[in-house]
Amino acid sequence: AQSVAQPEDQVNVAEGNPLTVKCTYSVSGNPYLFWYVQYPNRGLQFLLKYITGDNLVKGSYGFEAEFNKSQTSFHLKKPSALVSDSALYFCAVRADASGGSYIPTFGRGTSLIVHP
Amino acid sequence: GAVVSQHPSWVICKSGTSVKIECRSLDFQATTMFWYRQFPKQSLMLMATSNEGSKATYEQGVEKDKFLINHASLTLSTLTVTSAHPEDSSFYICSARPGRSTEAFFGQGTRLTVV
Repeated sequence: AQSVAQPEDQVNVAEGNPLTVKCTYSVSGNPYLFWYVQYPNRGLQFLLKYITGDNLVKGSYGFEAEFNKSQTSFHLKKPSALVSDSALYFCAVRADASGGSYIPTFGRGTSLIVHP
Repeated sequence: GAVVSQHPSWVICKSGTSVKIECRSLDFQATTMFWYRQFPKQSLMLMATSNEGSKATYEQGVEKDKFLINHASLTLSTLTVTSAHPEDSSFYICSARPGRSTEAFFGQGTRLTVV
């Protein structure tokens, strides 16, 4: 079975400071990893994904994430947070074609609050 | 990028009535669509997976007779909440995956309130 853990319900950061939203995963086979952002009463917006290749993935709105196979982690980062980044962030994992479920499993979400 | 449109964005209905939610892929053909339910401050709970032209696959604990899913074409899937009750009030989100794409794209969600 595949699973995703987002250990922090909420992350608080001051505007202009770097931010990190943590995610660890468990999956059979090679992982496909995703980050999505959700604003209030809206669907999920895709931020970035890791399929293969460079461990550092760059995505929308200045976000990036680093795939760490040994630590089974895929933390979301941004060098300088904006107040407008305040939202709910979801990490998701699914297996590649070699095994496991192709249906993504989502973490519980982390609420990011950026203070002015 | 791929766009998924979900309609309506919000709906209020009376207890005992049925409500239909539409999910359309606007610029791609979606062989697979997913329906999720999201409770306040919680993650997405997968309700069912639908493939065009075949019956939906429901997750354990989801009543297939209550949550009717139809995926009649490659661009449209519908979720009908039958005989709605207040406990069905929730945020429902669909997503669609183009062909062999590795990622799915999400609709904007539907806020259902049953009174």
